[in-house]
Amino acid sequence: ETGVTQTPRHLVMGMTNKKSLKCEQHLGHNAMYWYKQSAKKPLELMFVYNFKEQTENNSVPSRFSPECPNSSHLFLHLHTLQPEDSALYLCASSPGSSGTETGELFFGEGSRLTVL
Amino acid sequence: GQSLEQPSEVTAVEGAIVQINCTYQTSGFYGLSWYQQHDGGAPTFLSYNALDGLEETGRFSSFLSRSDSYGYLLLQELQMKDSASYFCVKSSASKIIFGSGTRLSIRP
Repeated sequence: ETGVTQTPRHLVMGMTNKKSLKCEQHLGHNAMYWYKQSAKKPLELMFVYNFKEQTENNSVPSRFSPECPNSSHLFLHLHTLQPEDSALYLCASSPGSSGTETGELFFGEGSRLTVL
Repeated sequence: GQSLEQPSEVTAVEGAIVQINCTYQTSGFYGLSWYQQHDGGAPTFLSYNALDGLEETGRFSSFLSRSDSYGYLLLQELQMKDSASYFCVKSSASKIIFGSGTRLSIRP
């Protein structure tokens, strides 16, 4: 149990579907992140939220739409995805506003997405 | 582009010592972290160095040299359960950037 919970753990969707990934953290942290992990590639930072405000969008295509209703919850809305978007999507949180004070991120187990 | 460099694979023997090196670009550098990730699992935090020197936590140690833009993770008394991917991670003013990861394989 990492304190960061992601659902669903596995998701298969067609290119025309709309789905959402959910992340919840029970650690009282102020910052939340979405990362993408593809095979044989480094973790790619997608979005950063500090105190519910988006502070980083790492040139992510608009078919990925994040939502942060409060400091404990983070969503990633998916629509008209491509097969190359198949990957493990990891949510993380950190105590500070950006996680740089200690370098420590707390990750969820990830949502394994397959786009057909 | 990639701002961190680390070996893609390392193989070691159970009970031995292994060192995983990492070099990074210095722009906006705050500190260097290390994470472990087992297959199918979440990355877990191991250590963080903001100042030069060695940080020791049990069998794992991490070193940083800011002047050389270099750090390493040292794993001692290797156990089979240490087989995993290890990521060096650069913290800057507003970002946490992961390296490509080093896959550590341990032989009996």
